[in-house]
Amino acid sequence: GNSVTQMEGPVTLSEEAFLTINCTYTATGYPSLFWYVQYPGEGLQLLLKATKADDKGSNKGFEATYRKETTSFHLEKGSVQVSDSAVYFCAGWSNFNKFYFGSGTKLNVKP
Amino acid sequence: DADVTQTPRNRITKTGKRIMLECSQTKGHDRMYWYRQDPGLGLRLIYYSFDVKDINKGEISDGYSVSRQAQAKFSLSLESAIPNQTALYFCATSDLPGQGTNEQFFGPGTRLTVL
Repeated sequence: GNSVTQMEGPVTLSEEAFLTINCTYTATGYPSLFWYVQYPGEGLQLLLKATKADDKGSNKGFEATYRKETTSFHLEKGSVQVSDSAVYFCAGWSNFNKFYFGSGTKLNVKP
Repeated sequence: DADVTQTPRNRITKTGKRIMLECSQTKGHDRMYWYRQDPGLGLRLIYYSFDVKDINKGEISDGYSVSRQAQAKFSLSLESAIPNQTALYFCATSDLPGQGTNEQFFGPGTRLTVL
């Protein structure tokens, strides 16, 4: 079935460090791909998305590129801040009309 | 005001009790979902509904039931709660494919503890 696999956390970085959180997908066809973020005590909110190969989603300094060749959608940010500390979920949506989520990666950013 | 609301936000109950979690949305979306979140397991789909007359089981529906009372309301019931149903529960909504971004909009979550 369709699924996404993301790197396990927690990931601990110092402020202004470079961030990469890996995500790969398995799907029939070409799913839409998403990154959601969950701040402490809150629900998930969409961070960015891409709907077709080579699309780049970006928001709040985060970027992810939909790479068909490597079936990947890695999340990157050039300089993280303490306020970026949260849990990040990779997700996909397919023509079967259901979303599927990765297990989440917790990011801790230290001052 | 929040677009997707959940009540209660926190609930502690005992094994064997019946529990209902409620979700309301003002986004006008037809599609609504219930997930549970457990540490290290991400989100798992319990039930989903594409309209008032369309209810579908997700990957972990055993021990749960749902009711879609109206387009805006989707409630989740635990008929006889057990401790391994202790989790964070999220309601979500989405627009019809092709009419939006396919983004899901989440409520703030209900933390349920079953003793």
